Amino acid sequence: ETGVTQTPRHLVMGMTNKKSLKCEQHLGHNAMYWYKQSAKKPLELMFVYNFKEQTENNSVPSRFSPECPNSSHLFLHLHTLQPEDSALYLCASSQEPDSREAFFGQGTRLTVV
Amino acid sequence: GEDVEQSLFLSVREGDSSVINCTYTDSSSTYLYWYKQEPGAGLQLLTYIFSNMDMKQDQRLTVLLNKKDKHLSLRIADTQTGDSAIYFCAEKKVRGRDDKIIFGKGTRLHILP
Repeated sequence: ETGVTQTPRHLVMGMTNKKSLKCEQHLGHNAMYWYKQSAKKPLELMFVYNFKEQTENNSVPSRFSPECPNSSHLFLHLHTLQPEDSALYLCASSQEPDSREAFFGQGTRLTVV
Repeated sequence: GEDVEQSLFLSVREGDSSVINCTYTDSSSTYLYWYKQEPGAGLQLLTYIFSNMDMKQDQRLTVLLNKKDKHLSLRIADTQTGDSAIYFCAEKKVRGRDDKIIFGKGTRLHILP
């Protein structure tokens, strides 16, 4: 257990569906992140939130919409996804954005059909 | 080329030492990391080294850093079946006021009986 919990662990959705991924951290951290892990590609940073404010958006398509209602919770809202969006989506948190260590959740395995 | 490069696969006999290598590109990187990802799990921070260090040892793990060649290695002594996982090398880049962690594609370590 890393203190970062992601739900659901697995998700299958159609291209016209709307779904949300949830991440919760119990570590009292101020920074939270979404990463995408595709097969045979490096881990890609998608979004960074610091004290609930989005500080980074790495040219992520608008069909991915993050939400950070408080420092402990982070959501990734999904709509009209493409099959190439199928991947493992990892949430992470750290004390501050420039902290030495980041703690990762177990990820949500997303399949778009 | 990629910011962080590592070979995709490594096979080692149980009881032998495993050496996973990584090269990075940014000489201003402050920290270099090794993460472990077991099947179905998120990334777990194994160890890290600050850029002004040459070596760090932690039980069975030894990290060597050659800053001149921008080369990082992870040596696992007495490799066990539980060490079977994907190992990610990562560097912390300094970009203006923001730090960013860049990951390699990961090396899958396979343990032979």
